[in-house]
Amino acid sequence: EVLLTQSPGTLSLSPGERAALSCRASQSVISSYLAWYQQKPGQAPRLLIYGASSRATGIPDRFSGSGSGTDFTLTISRLEPEDFAVYYCQHYDSSPKVFTFGPGTKVDIK
Amino acid sequence: EVQLVQSGAEVKKPGESLKISCKGSGYNFPNYWIGWVRQMPGKGPEWMGIIYPGDSDTRYSPSFQGQVTISADKSISTAYLQWSSLKASDTALYYCARRYYDSGSYYIDYWGQGTLVTVSS
Repeated sequence: EVLLTQSPGTLSLSPGERAALSCRASQSVISSYLAWYQQKPGQAPRLLIYGASSRATGIPDRFSGSGSGTDFTLTISRLEPEDFAVYYCQHYDSSPKVFTFGPGTKVDIK
Repeated sequence: EVQLVQSGAEVKKPGESLKISCKGSGYNFPNYWIGWVRQMPGKGPEWMGIIYPGDSDTRYSPSFQGQVTISADKSISTAYLQWSSLKASDTALYYCARRYYDSGSYYIDYWGQGTLVTVSS
């Protein structure tokens, strides 16, 4: 079973700043099985990035994903007020058809 | 427009049974895997299991195997999550979610609005 860790747990930044969120897998994973989601209070998670680096439909280009193997990064180039939220990485294991979520990184306003 | 609409909030006592639902619309429901996700208060999402409504093939996350039952009725485009004996620790928000496959990638593209389950004596 792949375990995901995310760092930092909380990132305190100001609007306009750049955010870099890390997701590390316990073993090498297939990049196409790695996704990122954003969740705001009272809402379901929203898909941002799939296949490690492909933006989902309607996601602004300030969001980008990168990485391979065990280390992946979600970058928000310039934080907008609506970007303050919790971000989760997710891995799909095709054999038991199980998704695993990381513990999340909260991006809050400094 | 793709939609997953879940049943309403439930308040139950420990030991009671419960079945919550998730109705899909706007797409060919039997042909997409539907999963269930638990989110406990203040915590991250946890994957519980998944079902293919076309043939009811079901897979459970090891943590939830034997604790819940996932089923589906493709004739009414509805998936279900069921407990036979609730515990206080089952108190959480439960989401249904559609698994999507695209060019070698698997991810969740649509979520239900969530069903809050509260178990308290």
